[in-house]
Amino acid sequence: NAGVTQTPKFQVLKTGQSMTLQCAQDMNHEYMSWYRQDPGMGLRLIHYSVGAGITDQGEVPNGYNVSRSTTEDFPLRLLSAAPSQTSVYFCASSRTGRNTEAFFGQGTRLTVV
Amino acid sequence: AQTVTQSQPEMSVQEAETVTLSCTYDTSENNYYLFWYKQPPSRQMILVIRQEAYKQQNATENRFSVNFQKAAKSFSLKISDSQLGDTAMYFCAFRGPRDMRFGAGTRLTVKP
Repeated sequence: NAGVTQTPKFQVLKTGQSMTLQCAQDMNHEYMSWYRQDPGMGLRLIHYSVGAGITDQGEVPNGYNVSRSTTEDFPLRLLSAAPSQTSVYFCASSRTGRNTEAFFGQGTRLTVV
Repeated sequence: AQTVTQSQPEMSVQEAETVTLSCTYDTSENNYYLFWYKQPPSRQMILVIRQEAYKQQNATENRFSVNFQKAAKSFSLKISDSQLGDTAMYFCAFRGPRDMRFGAGTRLTVKP
């Protein structure tokens, strides 16, 4: 049972570099989202998607892009990394509906130097 | 936009005792769910308990129970008979019609 798979688990970037954090789920969930976790700030929503072809912004979308071409995949792109984007990133998926549990990936620890 | 507030950054409890973690939220929605998630040092996010806003009865899962006060917009988590394995970050979360929002978390340490 793979669940939600995030790659890579760790990454170091130089300021200005770009990269894509990958997220894939095999539970046929319609809803997927990206969060960043910073000390003292909890998990903050970056972007989310309610289905293929549909994305929307969360609390902290600046500096990040997403797309949802398939139900399974929801990549997060950093176009020009900044030190302020140093964080742990989590991808989550769930069925649509307020009562449904969100399933999380193992997280990606990103450091921008 | 919904906001979730956890006012206790850190707490500790002796093994076998009871501890309560606080959470308040702000929303204009009537239909929503509330969740508590646990994050141990492994970084994995684990669902502890969930509560529907329309249910007055407080949810219970084994040693974990909630005190849901809808009018006060309060959703606290009580852990009974605390165990060393309960040591973790605990996040309160609000799920409305569009997305799920989390609080800043409470770091709980269970002492032997």
